[in-house]
Amino acid sequence: GAVVSQHPSRVICKSGTSVKIECRSLDFQATTMFWYRQFPKKSLMLMATSNEGSKATYEQGVEKDKFLINHASLTLSTLTVTSAHPEDSSFYICSVLGGETQYFGPGTRLLVL
Amino acid sequence: RKEVEQDPGPFNVPEGATVAFNCTYSNSASQSFFWYRQDCRKEPKLLMSVYSSGNEDGRFTAQLNRASQYISLLIRDSKLSDSATYLCVIRGVNNAGNMLTFGGGTRLMVKP
Repeated sequence: GAVVSQHPSRVICKSGTSVKIECRSLDFQATTMFWYRQFPKKSLMLMATSNEGSKATYEQGVEKDKFLINHASLTLSTLTVTSAHPEDSSFYICSVLGGETQYFGPGTRLLVL
Repeated sequence: RKEVEQDPGPFNVPEGATVAFNCTYSNSASQSFFWYRQDCRKEPKLLMSVYSSGNEDGRFTAQLNRASQYISLLIRDSKLSDSATYLCVIRGVNNAGNMLTFGGGTRLMVKP
């Protein structure tokens, strides 16, 4: 069964609106979750590391005020894309580290019109 | 230079063929190595870990050469269902914890 779930699986929104993506760890508690972004035919790129109860750690070049991350519980992290623009259209994937294995959510496909 | 480099392909092979993918990485301090498989419009899924001694899982064999910073994946007796993108993945450690770095992926298409 699934270890990590994401919601929604796809979303289409208008430019300027905000979109919230949820990532849930189903099988175990996760103090750390990772958020990735993948553009078509490109590799996954780590955006940020979400830390339960504290601030997320963002990778270089990722705007923390645009991509808001909240990790309020040991099983839920949310990524909010604020004031979305067409260039934010991408495949957003979260992951959870379980032991030595990193488990990925099914991803959220975002299309900003 | 990219941290993890792969030939993007595509590799077009007939069913039953043997195909090999290579991957090089730049950070000699990298700790763990993996091959992931990603189907179109899906999330990556772990195919196998890669160990210095080499390891095999059915038709799949992975090798690691730390001295050359090189990883390989060999697929024997290719099946149509093997068609996917294969991602070379390296784990290092950043200040926030374990961090995976992905190669760009090698696309495999197995034809009847």
